[in-house]
Amino acid sequence: DTGVSQDPRHKITKRGQNVTFRCDPISEHNRLYWYRQTLGQGPEFLTYFQNEAQLEKSRLLSDRFSAERPKGSFSTLEIQRTEQGDSAMYLCASSRGEGVFGYTFGSGTRLTVV
Amino acid sequence: SQQGEEDPQALSIQEGENATMNCSYKTSINNLQWYRQNSGRGLVHLILIRSNEREKHSGRLRVTLDTSKKSSSLLITASRAADTASYFCATALLQGGSEKLVFGKGTKLTVNP
Repeated sequence: DTGVSQDPRHKITKRGQNVTFRCDPISEHNRLYWYRQTLGQGPEFLTYFQNEAQLEKSRLLSDRFSAERPKGSFSTLEIQRTEQGDSAMYLCASSRGEGVFGYTFGSGTRLTVV
Repeated sequence: SQQGEEDPQALSIQEGENATMNCSYKTSINNLQWYRQNSGRGLVHLILIRSNEREKHSGRLRVTLDTSKKSSSLLITASRAADTASYFCATALLQGGSEKLVFGKGTKLTVNP
């Protein structure tokens, strides 16, 4: 499978716990993006990487959120001290370049905070 | 914040009919893209139209872009039940030297067999 892989597909956690999601992009894609999507809404930008450098973070990304992309390969998104408002689908996407190719999205990780 | 606004929010048609979805946006863009999302799944890229293009075709899809009106439309011809999904427009903005996609809230399309 040469698509974008996200793990886990579903995560249920208790409020206050930490969670970590993983994204494996398409290997030749140097750009990696994280989006968050709540029910009935479009995806909202969280952050993106070009290779291993995190180039932009949304104001939506509070101090409880951190993302990494060591060695410019896979990426992790960690949420510390989860809150019920963090419940959403977390989508990862990768792309090969700007203005020519679209993004390839993974199937997402659905987080439910109880 | 979401830059694009799709219209209508929901659309229900019969199989074989054409479906038209519109998208309006606010700022200058590098390009505009349309995506499809089946319920509970990730998004699938359908088509990209650059800011200097006015129309683009891909199979049963036709996209137009009017930068003077800051609007785009997606036409799906001869719709099928399998086209049932949410469709999002996404504007590619150039910020800080890099491109970022900003999505609208989507149009939920139902194609009845």
